[in-house]
Amino acid sequence: DIQMTQSPSTLSASVGDRVTITCRASQTISNWLAWYQQKPGKAPKLLIYKASSLESGVPSRFSGSGSGTEFTLTISSLQPDDFATYYCQQYNSYLYTFGQGTKLEIK
Amino acid sequence: EVQLVESGGGLVQPGGSLRLSCAASGFTFSSYAMTWVRQAPGKGLEWVSAISSSGGNTYYTDSVKGRFTISRDNSKNMLSLQMNSLRAEDTAVYYCAKGSSSSGWYYFDSWGQGTLVTVSS
Repeated sequence: DIQMTQSPSTLSASVGDRVTITCRASQTISNWLAWYQQKPGKAPKLLIYKASSLESGVPSRFSGSGSGTEFTLTISSLQPDDFATYYCQQYNSYLYTFGQGTKLEIK
Repeated sequence: EVQLVESGGGLVQPGGSLRLSCAASGFTFSSYAMTWVRQAPGKGLEWVSAISSSGGNTYYTDSVKGRFTISRDNSKNMLSLQMNSLRAEDTAVYYCAKGSSSSGWYYFDSWGQGTLVTVSS
């Protein structure tokens, strides 16, 4: 199975900050990577697919990059609505796997 | 607008069975793969099972293989997950999600609100 490792597990930041979350795959997955946002008690929401493609309706302050085994999700200027948990997910095999999540907290 | 509504969750004893359903609307159900993802209390997301658009191909994570069965009824726009021999570690919110394509590898572009399954005596 492909293991996905996110860092950091928790990130404290302020409104207006630029933040980056990293996701590493245990083997190459080309650019078959998605990012999701989840708020407490809610379903996950797709933000980014194919490593860098922005899902329709998602604000442009979100961006993704990377290929192979290392990927990043960047939020250019944090807004109050962005404080949530973020997950990466690989879809390079039928055994889909998620990272363990990064909780973005208000500093 | 895509809508996915799960039902069938509840409290069940270890070793028992439960059948989850997901009613889909707002898209051509028969054209897309579907999947189940679960989240144990306070934990991260775990992919459980997937099914191709035709239902001809199914996939499972190792921990549920032989116990869970995914199926779909394209005439009723319904996705199901039959869960047998349930264990305490199956306790989670179960989400159904729409795949981004009919088969192959895909991401999950729409999600239901989830249904809670609790396995406890």
